[in-house]
Amino acid sequence: GAGVSQSPRYKVTKRGQDVALRCDPISGHVSLYWYRQALGQGPEFLTYFNYEAQQDKSGLPNDRFSAERPEGSISTLTIQRTEQRDSAMYRCASSNWTGSGANVLTFGAGSRLTVL
Amino acid sequence: AQSVTQPDIHITVSEGASLELRCNYSYGATPYLFWYVQSPGQGLQLLLKYFSGDTLVQGIKGFEAEFKRSQSSFNLRKPSVHWSDAAEYFCAVDPQKAAGNKLTFGGGTRVLVKP
Repeated sequence: GAGVSQSPRYKVTKRGQDVALRCDPISGHVSLYWYRQALGQGPEFLTYFNYEAQQDKSGLPNDRFSAERPEGSISTLTIQRTEQRDSAMYRCASSNWTGSGANVLTFGAGSRLTVL
Repeated sequence: AQSVTQPDIHITVSEGASLELRCNYSYGATPYLFWYVQSPGQGLQLLLKYFSGDTLVQGIKGFEAEFKRSQSSFNLRKPSVHWSDAAEYFCAVDPQKAAGNKLTFGGGTRVLVKP
């Protein structure tokens, strides 16, 4: 697509429920990133993929968080047994970065998650 | 510790006045540097970036930023602010060392524009 598309834009869920957030990157972009942005803070790295391979998941806060990109395009970030502290804006970004040189990320509009 | 600092959480500026947003980084080597803007309901939009070469870089929407190695700074400026510049601005760095070249962001500066 023309830009990075994320869905849903807004998600309200009850504590303990599972949620899945979807990211559709720019067509042809190799790298895909997930960031989390708490209110009043800058985005923080969660995980990233090159093609379908998850290269770095060091930013995932605990094992309730997981991500996949099975065909090297669309990615899903899943949060199991949500907690109130998971409430945040979840941002996806993609780039053409292939492992060297500067990396310029294009971000989507984000998915705002509210856990009640 | 490696970090990115935006010392000003909020800045209020009158329309037509100049604007400067501060960004300092703490890394051993000069990282790649970026400024992003986040308008309400929008994604993060890249304003400009510095990789090497001329230390004064021009971006979109009339913004510019100057890299100063001696001060480990990359401040964003605009000579005359428009009401549409009201937004949150994030400085980000790519340390060039971590696998994946993932960005580290500052905490952001929210800009309010007075008529």
